[in-house]
Amino acid sequence: QKEVEQNSGPLSVPEGAIASLNCTYSDRGSQSFFWYRQYSGKSPELIMFIYSNGDKEDGRFTAQLNKASQYVSLLIRDSQPSDSATYLCAVTPLRNDYKLSFGAGTTVTVRA
Amino acid sequence: DVKVTQSSRYLVKRTGEKVFLECVQDMDHENMFWYRQDPGLGLRLIYFSYDVKMKEKGDIPEGYSVSREKKERFSLILESASTNQTSMYLCASSLASRGAITYNEQFFGPGTRLTVL
Repeated sequence: QKEVEQNSGPLSVPEGAIASLNCTYSDRGSQSFFWYRQYSGKSPELIMFIYSNGDKEDGRFTAQLNKASQYVSLLIRDSQPSDSATYLCAVTPLRNDYKLSFGAGTTVTVRA
Repeated sequence: DVKVTQSSRYLVKRTGEKVFLECVQDMDHENMFWYRQDPGLGLRLIYFSYDVKMKEKGDIPEGYSVSREKKERFSLILESASTNQTSMYLCASSLASRGAITYNEQFFGPGTRLTVL
């Protein structure tokens, strides 16, 4: 079982719609959760982090964490063509809290 | 803003050459990381360092070594480049702990696309 799994893409949404990205993790003791955005040919850029159960909102982005279900999600509201990218979920494993385990990523395309 | 820079954006080397990839961060971060990213395989950790002269193997250290002589600089060395080391190499850094708080967010450099012929 992979440490971090993301829903397979690609995900295509119309402009203005909500894009929903999901991520599950295997280490029940994980404490920190991150979402990175990576444009084609570029390096990953941190867009959200969440440590506590519940929702965290930042502009059009909402991260949701449910530790009991070992599940973290990212919602992108009012999707824009500039949101077209690959989104990487990353989790800090309990056994080593300065490393990150990354998911394979979900590619999102926003159709104008 | 955290700034992580890498010495080259694109690099072409020949099989058997010794290759140095340099990474510098300007935010006094303790932790530094080297990843490679390949289509379908995602980000894979090669080595990381949590202090000057300290290093630890990641998931795929074979064929690589690292050096951290100064806190701001972390070098990745390919002792004898091979074609299967053609990849995008990403450096990242993160702040360690301050008091009781651990900071895990990693900040990435722009990447070096290495081609080994």
